[in-house]
Amino acid sequence: QKEVEQDPGPLSVPEGAIVSLNCTYSNSAFQYFMWYRQYSRKGPELLMYTYSSGNKEDGRFTAQVDKSSKYISLFIRDSQPSDSATYLCAMRSLVGVTGGGNKLTFGTGTQLKVEL
Amino acid sequence: NAGVTQTPKFRILKIGQSMTLQCTQDMNHNYMYWYRQDPGMGLKLIYYSVGAGITDKGEVPNGYNVSRSTTEDFPLRLELAAPSQTSVYFCASSPGNTIYFGEGSWLTVV
Repeated sequence: QKEVEQDPGPLSVPEGAIVSLNCTYSNSAFQYFMWYRQYSRKGPELLMYTYSSGNKEDGRFTAQVDKSSKYISLFIRDSQPSDSATYLCAMRSLVGVTGGGNKLTFGTGTQLKVEL
Repeated sequence: NAGVTQTPKFRILKIGQSMTLQCTQDMNHNYMYWYRQDPGMGLKLIYYSVGAGITDKGEVPNGYNVSRSTTEDFPLRLELAAPSQTSVYFCASSPGNTIYFGEGSWLTVV
């Protein structure tokens, strides 16, 4: 079993729809959770960063963490064609500087297409 | 505002050749990383560094080497290239919480 599971998609939605992207994880030590957006032939770009459980909102994006269920979500409101990309979840545990090096564990990414 | 810069962007290597992927960051981050990304496999950590002179192996280090002589630079060396090293390589850096990626280097070994 992978430490982080993410549905690869593709997920196709009409413009203006609310998009829900999800990841599940098995390592209960994960404390920090991130969402990255990756356009084709580009590097991953940090979208959202959360610590522990709860919600965090930034514009049209909301990140949600449910540690009891080991489940994280990214919601995109009023989706736009420019949101078409692959979305990667990432997470890490609370480790020391020399011991852990701030290493992240990534999901495999969900490909999203927002159509006109 | 350069961030993380990788060169080359694209490269074709023959089996058995060697090459170095260059990476430099101008954000004074202590942590630097090399990942490879293969279709359906996500990002796999090759090597990482917590500061100049300190490097350590990640999940998939075989066939690669790194060095970190300065805070800014973290080159990745491929020795005796093999077809299994065909991939997209991302260099990244971090101040300690989140990680910032470069634009990637597309490598094909034929």
